[in-house]
Amino acid sequence: DTAVSQTPKYLVTQMGNDKSIKCEQNLGHDTMYWYKQDSKKFLKIMFSYNNKELIINETVPNRFSPKSPDKAHLNLHINSLELGDSAVYFCASSPDLAEQFFGPGTRLTVL
Amino acid sequence: AQTVTQSQPEMSVQEAETVTLSCTYDTSESDYYLFWYKQPPSRQMILVIRQEAYKQQNATENRFSVNFQKAAKSFSLKISDSQLGDAAMYFCAYKGTTQGGSEKLVFGKGTKLTVNP
Repeated sequence: DTAVSQTPKYLVTQMGNDKSIKCEQNLGHDTMYWYKQDSKKFLKIMFSYNNKELIINETVPNRFSPKSPDKAHLNLHINSLELGDSAVYFCASSPDLAEQFFGPGTRLTVL
Repeated sequence: AQTVTQSQPEMSVQEAETVTLSCTYDTSESDYYLFWYKQPPSRQMILVIRQEAYKQQNATENRFSVNFQKAAKSFSLKISDSQLGDAAMYFCAYKGTTQGGSEKLVFGKGTKLTVNP
């Protein structure tokens, strides 16, 4: 049983394209997150949603737009992709004050 | 803003030996959580251990234990009887409590652990 799943796991695309990454959790958690891990392995929060409501938006360019159709899903849409967007993107979920459960990550490569 | 510092970019240990990974953090909050996550080459983020700041007792999970020094804002991870499967990036992370559970994780830059046979 997959707890937090992301699709796709790998995404290769050209500069200027628009792409989406999907995330689903079947843990019944209220809060979901997107993190970005750069080429130096540094992990940083991008967004968090609690019950479909945006809680955290960490000065991410507005080319990135998260969408939460329900509390089990948090998708990430990226417009006009740039070379610097190449990274691994992790979705995570959390029930409360406890630890966060991470998805397998999506490696995005922008050519 | 909270920060997390891991001063050892890389560490190595012999199989069956013990290794300690360092982590310090900065916060003005009194209540928070600390975590160690492991990221093997598969890139999956795996929770190793967690510590609640209000608990004085150090957390332990099998071969993994922490030395939590709240006053010094230090949270080191000790791995005993190291195994080849312990080789990975290890991230120390901080989570505050002011947003009622929706707090982000603040990560250190990671320590790459190599286990030598």
